[in-house]
Amino acid sequence: AQKVTQAQTEISVVEKEDVTLDCVYETRDTTYYLFWYKQPPSGELVFLIRRNSFDEQNEISGRYSWNFQKSTSSFNFTITASQVVDSAVYFCALHSGGYNKLIFGAGTRLAVHP
Amino acid sequence: ETGVTQTPRHLVMGMTNKKSLKCEQHLGHNAMYWYKQSAKKPLELMFVYSLEERVENNSVPSRFSPECPNSSHLFLHLHTLQPEDSALYLCASSQDWRQGHTEAFFGQGTRLTVV
Repeated sequence: AQKVTQAQTEISVVEKEDVTLDCVYETRDTTYYLFWYKQPPSGELVFLIRRNSFDEQNEISGRYSWNFQKSTSSFNFTITASQVVDSAVYFCALHSGGYNKLIFGAGTRLAVHP
Repeated sequence: ETGVTQTPRHLVMGMTNKKSLKCEQHLGHNAMYWYKQSAKKPLELMFVYSLEERVENNSVPSRFSPECPNSSHLFLHLHTLQPEDSALYLCASSQDWRQGHTEAFFGQGTRLTVV
């Protein structure tokens, strides 16, 4: 079975705090891809990052960083020095198997307060 | 115009109406998708078209009918909907998974209200 679990439904932080969004996935495939998307109030999902299962290097892009750990089937997302503009719903997603299909987690709503 | 564009952005329809949602992508992708996002529920994949052929239909009721006339356009025809069909309908596109780079790019969605 393929599944993505985002256990945190909502997170509230004050500006400049660091925040980590958790993502745990399940798949039996050895080749798969993991993604993070951001959904601001306007509605569209904005692609943030793609990771394949053979690349466990952590990645940093500005204030965003991702920690991929195959041993724990986790792909966590950290925002450093959060800003109000980071307020959105964040989705973790999995693509595995021979299908054009993304499996999404339930999403984590992040509220960053001034 | 670039990216994935959906029209209309908002739609209110009665249960006996027939309407269509439109999606257009300018990214050169060959796979397109319809997702449904209801309040407090995960994103649900409804339909997938790859190379203009429907490859997935996730047990969606027949009152939703997709159409993909070419690789750049995708429609979702709606008829005799129910109030529980009210949701945000998101269109996405990507390269076919066999070509790698499976990240999907999404439109802004159509907020549908069935009254």
